[in-house]
Amino acid sequence: RKEVEQDPGPFNVPEGATVAFNCTYSNSASQSFFWYRQDCRKEPKLLMSVYSSGNEDGRFTAQLNRASQYISLLIRDSKLSDSATYLCVVSSNTGTASKLTFGTGTRLQVTL
Amino acid sequence: NAGVTQTPKFRILKIGQSMTLQCTQDMNHNYMYWYRQDPGMGLKLIYYSVGAGITDKGEVPNGYNVSRSTTEDFPLRLELAAPSQTSVYFCASSYATHRVDSPLHFGNGTRLTVT
Repeated sequence: RKEVEQDPGPFNVPEGATVAFNCTYSNSASQSFFWYRQDCRKEPKLLMSVYSSGNEDGRFTAQLNRASQYISLLIRDSKLSDSATYLCVVSSNTGTASKLTFGTGTRLQVTL
Repeated sequence: NAGVTQTPKFRILKIGQSMTLQCTQDMNHNYMYWYRQDPGMGLKLIYYSVGAGITDKGEVPNGYNVSRSTTEDFPLRLELAAPSQTSVYFCASSYATHRVDSPLHFGNGTRLTVT
């Protein structure tokens, strides 16, 4: 089983749609969770950290379910500019420094 | 504020050649990292550093070397380039070790082709 698993997509949705991505992780001792956004041929950029109680940033909502070991990202009212690959990132403590494990990403294509 | 700066942006190497990928950050971050990203794969950690003078191996260190003589700079050295090292390389830095309030800041990446 991969340490971090994501549905690769692509998810093709019309503008204005709501879309949700899930990500599962295998290490129950994982401590921190993030969603990064990566545009084509660009570097990943932090979209949002995921807090235990869940958190929202505008049209984006992130949830964490430690019991089931998954995190989710909900995008409401999708915009063309949301088209990108969304990377799920999980941090686990290895001693000297935490280990960040990246999922392979879920590609989102928002269309007119 | 430049953030994390990588050079070069693109490079083509012949098998057996060597090169150094440069990375510098101006955020006074202690933690720096080198990742590689292959098509359809997640980012894989090559080496990381928790401060000047300290480096450690990540998941895929073979064929690479690093040094960290200053807080700002973290160059990645490829010796005897091989086709398997064709990839996109990202340097990143962070203030702390992956706390939710300390995300990674990435450079723009270096696209390396070894033929």
